[in-house]
Amino acid sequence: DTAVSQTPKYLVTQMGNDKSIKCEQNLGHDTMYWYKQDSKKFLKIMFSYNNKELIINETVPNRFSPKSPDKAHLNLHINSLELGDSAVYFCASSQDQGTGSNGYTFGSGTRLTVV
Amino acid sequence: KQEVTQIPAALSVPEGENLVLNCSFTDSAIYNLQWFRQDPGKGLTSLLLIQSSQREQTSGRLNASLDKSSGRSTLYIAASQPGDSATYLCAVAEAAGNKLTFGGGTRVLVKP
Repeated sequence: DTAVSQTPKYLVTQMGNDKSIKCEQNLGHDTMYWYKQDSKKFLKIMFSYNNKELIINETVPNRFSPKSPDKAHLNLHINSLELGDSAVYFCASSQDQGTGSNGYTFGSGTRLTVV
Repeated sequence: KQEVTQIPAALSVPEGENLVLNCSFTDSAIYNLQWFRQDPGKGLTSLLLIQSSQREQTSGRLNASLDKSSGRSTLYIAASQPGDSATYLCAVAEAAGNKLTFGGGTRVLVKP
């Protein structure tokens, strides 16, 4: 299936831990993103990578470090997790930095709960 | 800075009624506008994409219009069904590039 897939789907962890979320797309897109959906369901951009190069870092704490080993993968590593990091994290991809004819494709999300 | 607003925040209609969901954006310099559907606890499903040069897009019972100059888009869902119950999100791809800016969504409930 062509898709944006992210793992894990659910992640429950204690404060202070370090965790990673993985994302892969097999759509051949050149741009990948991480979005955060907070408790009020508002979606906001965190990072954007185009062909493995960081394009957008939207004032995200430096505890969050994205890594793009190739243009099909964009992983998100979070250090020293805090309660406020609890949210749903969505990976997405697009062609031509979002100007392509198919727009953006989103993964199914990772629900992170920090206890 | 682009801001996207969706009104109403929630909508409840009886089955069979037509749905009208509104989206407005402050900066008309956009590449395209995309409507998504999100079911509770699920990801985002793309419904319609309208390029900035287009006025509308249609898919089945769904029709989306775009008036870029006034910063507005409307999603029409004809003959609503209980299965249409979900949150509908509007998002614009900014000409400055590289990201979608989302509205807060409209939560729709279609009652049988």
